[in-house]
Amino acid sequence: DAGITQSPRYKITETGRQVTLMCHQTWSHSYMFWYRQDLGHGLRLIYYSAAADITDKGEVPDGYVVSRSKTENFPLTLESATRSQTSVYFCASSESLGVGTGNTIYFGEGSWLTVV
Amino acid sequence: AQSVTQLDSHVSVSEGTPVLLRCNYSSSYSPSLFWYVQHPNKGLQLLLKYTSAATLVKGINGFEAEFKKSETSFHLTKPSAHMSDAAEYFCVVSDGVGGYQKVTFGTGTKLQVIP
Repeated sequence: DAGITQSPRYKITETGRQVTLMCHQTWSHSYMFWYRQDLGHGLRLIYYSAAADITDKGEVPDGYVVSRSKTENFPLTLESATRSQTSVYFCASSESLGVGTGNTIYFGEGSWLTVV
Repeated sequence: AQSVTQLDSHVSVSEGTPVLLRCNYSSSYSPSLFWYVQHPNKGLQLLLKYTSAATLVKGINGFEAEFKKSETSFHLTKPSAHMSDAAEYFCVVSDGVGGYQKVTFGTGTKLQVIP
C-alpha cells in the first residue's frame, strides 16, 4: 500500500532555477492536486487534475506548471523559482469529487522547498 | 460562497483533560466536512468526515465531531487528551454542484498537550 509518494522530500535551489517536484500515486485515483502550505495561510490549491491530460488552475497558480500524461503521475514545475515560492508542497489524490460523495483526499508526506 | 473558520490558532490542554477544537463553515450547498491532523514534518491524515449521514461522527484515536447545521459548526472533541495528540488540525469543507466539488481548508489549529 504505497499510496502517494513525493520526491524530493527536501530541496534547496537558487532563484531563477527550474525545479520539478514529482508525485506518484498507486491507487489510480482520478483527481490529483498540488497544495502549498505557508504559515498563516493554511493549504492553498495550486493546480488540480481531474484525469490524465486534464488540468486546471487553483487559487495560486502563477509561476507553476503541471502536466499529467499518466493517471499515476502529476509533476509540479517551478519554471523560474522565486523566494516567495519557498514553502512546503503537498500532493494529494482523491477517487472522485462528485457532489455529495464526500470522498477523502489523501495526502503525500510533503516536499520542503527552499529558494535562496 | 464557501468558507471555513477555525476559531483558535492555538489550543493548549493538559494531558487527560478534554479537547475542543472549533470550526465554523459557510456553504451554499449541503457540504461534506472533514477534520485532518498533521504531525510535524508529515502529510495530512484524515481523522473523520461528515457526509450527510449521522450528525455525530466518530473518528480515529478517540476523536469525534458533531455537525450542527443551525450553528454552521463542526467542532472536534476528544474526552481525554494524550501527548501523542499534539499536532496541527485542519477543518475542511467540500461542496459544489455539477462536476468538480470545491474544497476549502481552514488555517489550522495547533494543539499543545501539557504533561
